[in-house]
Amino acid sequence: GENVEQHPSTLSVQEGDSAVIKCTYSDSASNYFPWYKQELGKGPQLIIDIRSNVGEKKDQRIAVTLNKTAKHFSLHITETQPEDSAVYFCAASRANAGGTSYGKLTFGQGTILTVHP
Amino acid sequence: ETGVTQTPRHLVMGMTNKKSLKCEQHLGHNAMYWYKQSAKKPLELMFVYNFKEQTENNSVPSRFSPECPNSSHLFLHLHTLQPEDSALYLCASSQGLTGQPQHFGDGTRLSIL
Repeated sequence: GENVEQHPSTLSVQEGDSAVIKCTYSDSASNYFPWYKQELGKGPQLIIDIRSNVGEKKDQRIAVTLNKTAKHFSLHITETQPEDSAVYFCAASRANAGGTSYGKLTFGQGTILTVHP
Repeated sequence: ETGVTQTPRHLVMGMTNKKSLKCEQHLGHNAMYWYKQSAKKPLELMFVYNFKEQTENNSVPSRFSPECPNSSHLFLHLHTLQPEDSALYLCASSQGLTGQPQHFGDGTRLSIL
């Protein structure tokens, strides 16, 4: 089955700096990669996702890059703010083109991001 | 507001009690999921339902019994739980099973005495 490794487990940055979180996956057939942000007392919230037909996707201060050859993808947060402090999870799944197979999401272990004012 | 509502938010129960967790989604999705989130572990998928039919049981002990009466509601019935079952239980929904983003509720924090 799929295995997703996420690094680092904790990341501390100063406000305004950039933060990068990396994930590697094992199943070369995986083609859907979402990122979730989980704040204290809340459930994970989808912040950005990428499919294997693109190499990069941006949404304001957040970007995700995908390297299919190396089987890794990364989350980039620029101009970090204290409200970015949370736990971030990457995930991977294989979306069957015919929609007949279940594309189970396999999650990484999470990264605790702390942004210091 | 995520569109996925879980109740109760917190639950403390003894090992011999029977209780149920409830999840309701207002997103018009057809797939619903139960996950277990324990400290320092990745999210663990427990059950998957698609159009009310269970499509996956991820080797979950029988003391956890899911129920999906319709595409908007999902229950997790709990009976004779163990201390190691203490965790955050998350419900999620998605439009379709494959390659679709899952939307999570805020979870039920379960403590077994």
